[in-house]
Amino acid sequence: DGGITQSPKYLFRKEGQNVTLSCEQNLNHDAMYWYRQDPGQGLRLIYYSQIVNDFQKGDIAEGYSVSREKKESFPLTVTSAQKNPTAFYLCATNPGYLGGEQYFGPGTRLTVT
Amino acid sequence: AQTVTQSQPEMSVQEAETVTLSCTYDTSENNYYLFWYKQPPSRQMILVIRQEAYKQQNATENRFSVNFQKAAKSFSLKISDSQLGDTAMYFCAFMKHRGSNNDMRFGAGTRLTVKP
Repeated sequence: DGGITQSPKYLFRKEGQNVTLSCEQNLNHDAMYWYRQDPGQGLRLIYYSQIVNDFQKGDIAEGYSVSREKKESFPLTVTSAQKNPTAFYLCATNPGYLGGEQYFGPGTRLTVT
Repeated sequence: AQTVTQSQPEMSVQEAETVTLSCTYDTSENNYYLFWYKQPPSRQMILVIRQEAYKQQNATENRFSVNFQKAAKSFSLKISDSQLGDTAMYFCAFMKHRGSNNDMRFGAGTRLTVKP
């Protein structure tokens, strides 16, 4: 089955530690995105990548980093510089044709204490 | 920059009745796309319906339909014959196409509860 996987579903970390969230897709989509979801704020774009070895900052990139070494994978690292990292993180892909919608993974809930 | 506004943080409706969720957006673009996504308690984002701005006809998908008013920059979602499974967060989204990057912007969401 084609789809997007994010692991783990729940992640717990101590303050000051970096943590990496996984996102893998087998839809053969070039574009991949990371969103952060907080209550009452909808989805906000962290980073996106349109092609392998290239990525751009979104609206709230501070304290996050990404890599895109393979078409199928777009991991997100939440660094200790992120001041409020506890949130729900969604990975998405897009086929890239005009009007193509975002396809979403199941998400990862990150809790930092 | 494009902004999407959903003015109703929460709504409720009785099972089998009809409910309309509001969405407005701000853009200077002429060609763009609008979407409604549903996020049930599982938190999986599911596409409900899409609308191309160049099409005057309102999109319909079974019990879901939209009222697209381009001049007013309004894009409301009507759910007919509401079912308990419609209970979810609903997000309105705007997308313009730039090269191969489909930049999608989301509203803050409306939490819909369908009551038995």
